[in-house]
Amino acid sequence: GAGVSQSPSNKVTEKGKDVELRCDPISGHTALYWYRQSLGQGLEFLIYFQGNSAPDKSGLPSDRFSAERTGGSVSTLTIQRTQQEDSAVYLCASSFSPNQPQHFGDGTRLSIL
Amino acid sequence: QQQVKQSPQSLIVQKGGISIINCAYENTAFDYFPWYQQFPGKGPALLIAIRPDVSEKKEGRFTISFNKSAKQFSLHIMDSQPGDSATYFCAAGQGGKLIFGQGTELSVKP
Repeated sequence: GAGVSQSPSNKVTEKGKDVELRCDPISGHTALYWYRQSLGQGLEFLIYFQGNSAPDKSGLPSDRFSAERTGGSVSTLTIQRTQQEDSAVYLCASSFSPNQPQHFGDGTRLSIL
Repeated sequence: QQQVKQSPQSLIVQKGGISIINCAYENTAFDYFPWYQQFPGKGPALLIAIRPDVSEKKEGRFTISFNKSAKQFSLHIMDSQPGDSATYFCAAGQGGKLIFGQGTELSVKP
């Protein structure tokens, strides 16, 4: 498709398990972003990749959170030892370059039991 | 801490009326100010964006007004329609990262 694709769309897991969330950005977009949206809240920046530069990890809430971007395209956000407060919608966005319009996927709704 | 404050939290407007949502920011380094529209179960969709070198930008029924000295910007939706009922987010960006407001839930009554 032409848009940002995220998978899975929904994920339910038990507290303490690890989860991986995937993002396929729009083809040709060099910048990729992860945000978290808790129920009824705004979007919280997590991490930002731009080309081959070191990612901006300043928004990651703890060392249980990590992300990688392979080959400058697909990205995976990993949450280790999940906690109930990790329950949220995780949104991925991509843009042609920094400070250009960011286009969002529909997110992964993560529920921790 | 970088913050973007958005108001009101919720807004009810009659069909055909004007919806106005306001945002204020603190960091003068911000140089990109987009507005997003989000429907339930969907990701945010870019509506309109402005950079600080202009004071107003209009696209169709949507207008951004920007006041650099006051560090405020607002979204005006003219001739509001029931299909505009959604949550609206302002954001401020610099170097790629966006800081979002808390959102405004707009309901347009027929």
